[in-house]
Amino acid sequence: GQQLNQSPQSMFIQEGEDVSMNCTSSSIFNTWLWYKQDPGEGPVLLIALYKAGELTSNGRLTAQFGITRKDSFLNISASIPSDVGIYFCAGGLINTNAGKSTFGDGTTLTVKP
Amino acid sequence: DTAVSQTPKYLVTQMGNDKSIKCEQNLGHDTMYWYKQDSKKFLKIMFSYNNKELIINETVPNRFSPKSPDKAHLNLHINSLELGDSAVYFCASSLRDGGGVAFFGQGTRLTVV
Repeated sequence: GQQLNQSPQSMFIQEGEDVSMNCTSSSIFNTWLWYKQDPGEGPVLLIALYKAGELTSNGRLTAQFGITRKDSFLNISASIPSDVGIYFCAGGLINTNAGKSTFGDGTTLTVKP
Repeated sequence: DTAVSQTPKYLVTQMGNDKSIKCEQNLGHDTMYWYKQDSKKFLKIMFSYNNKELIINETVPNRFSPKSPDKAHLNLHINSLELGDSAVYFCASSLRDGGGVAFFGQGTRLTVV
């Protein structure tokens, strides 16, 4: 089956620093999604990408859909304590019968004030 | 109004018992999912239903039986609970299958003792 490699597995950064994480796949997706999970909650969508090469921002967050359709990255600029959480990438094949997105194993972000 | 709601939020039970987790979505979505999140925080899909029909069963033990009485509900019944079933279980829904944006419930933390 399809597998995603998400890295890094964890990050410990100082407040104000920029963060970068990425996902790579051995196969093609036509959708890349980035979610954040706060402690005790379910994952919540941050950014959705639908086109190869697409670069999308949501406040301090920027994500890109890789041109090969096999990778995506998420950047967070000027991190703040509430950025703490687990970030998941997910690759999807919409308008197919794939039935699901494939999730990466998550990047746990810790921000020190 | 909670988009995807699941109950209970916490469930502590003894080995060998049978328990159910309920999920409802009010988004009008066609596809619903059950995910299991283990102690390492990996999110693994268990089941996917599209318009009440099972489309994905990811080699989950047959002690786990999903039931979708209608498009808005997907319940999870677990027989003969084992210690290894302890995890957080998330229900989610999406507008279409194949990996569209998923909306997650708050999770049910199941502890088997």
